[in-house]
Amino acid sequence: GQQLNQSPQSMFIQEGEDVSMNCTSSSIFNTWLWYKQDPGEGPVLLIALYKAGELTSNGRLTAQFGITRKDSFLNISASIPSDVGIYFCAGSYYAGGTSYGKLTFGQGTILTVHP
Amino acid sequence: GAGVSQSPRYKVAKRGQDVALRCDPISGHVSLFWYQQALGQGPEFLTYFQNEAQLDKSGLPSDRFFAERPEGSVSTLKIQRTQQEDSAVYLCASSRSSYEQYFGPGTRLTVT
Repeated sequence: GQQLNQSPQSMFIQEGEDVSMNCTSSSIFNTWLWYKQDPGEGPVLLIALYKAGELTSNGRLTAQFGITRKDSFLNISASIPSDVGIYFCAGSYYAGGTSYGKLTFGQGTILTVHP
Repeated sequence: GAGVSQSPRYKVAKRGQDVALRCDPISGHVSLFWYQQALGQGPEFLTYFQNEAQLDKSGLPSDRFFAERPEGSVSTLKIQRTQQEDSAVYLCASSRSSYEQYFGPGTRLTVT
């Protein structure tokens, strides 16, 4: 099935560093979501974006909905050990009055933080 | 408040057996989704319910896969005559509005 292009695939950083990851699509989305998944658990919603150009923060996390509506970015500032996990972007597109937000996911970015 | 729950968390099935995976969505959430997550990959859409109506089943990989939500709350994903390629984590998500989806912990299915 279709998946978004998410990069980088993995990152190894020192505690306190900032992290950036991005996601691109060949098609337009109306909604971008960013999730974090820990081993053996389901994805946890971090940030939701609904408008092209929108910049939204959640604590040390900041995400942007790209102007072209085909990309999104996630930044994590001052990383800490508990940021370790897999980060997924997900997009959805709807048209007309009936919408249900079927999500298309990226392949994930594996983040490792060294203390 | 309670989140999405799924059971069982782990299921081992012999090839050819039928399995049933259960999802209890967040109370009041109209929308319910099933996704399949292969090892090292992002989740992939299987099917969508709005209340008890199954509005999209385009992601179900074969006619061995069947999902239902008869009363618009609990949902069951059934896989008949399991095959090794069915081994994956099956995730359920619910949403009040369909835009922000909240996931359960998943059921890890291993077919031997």
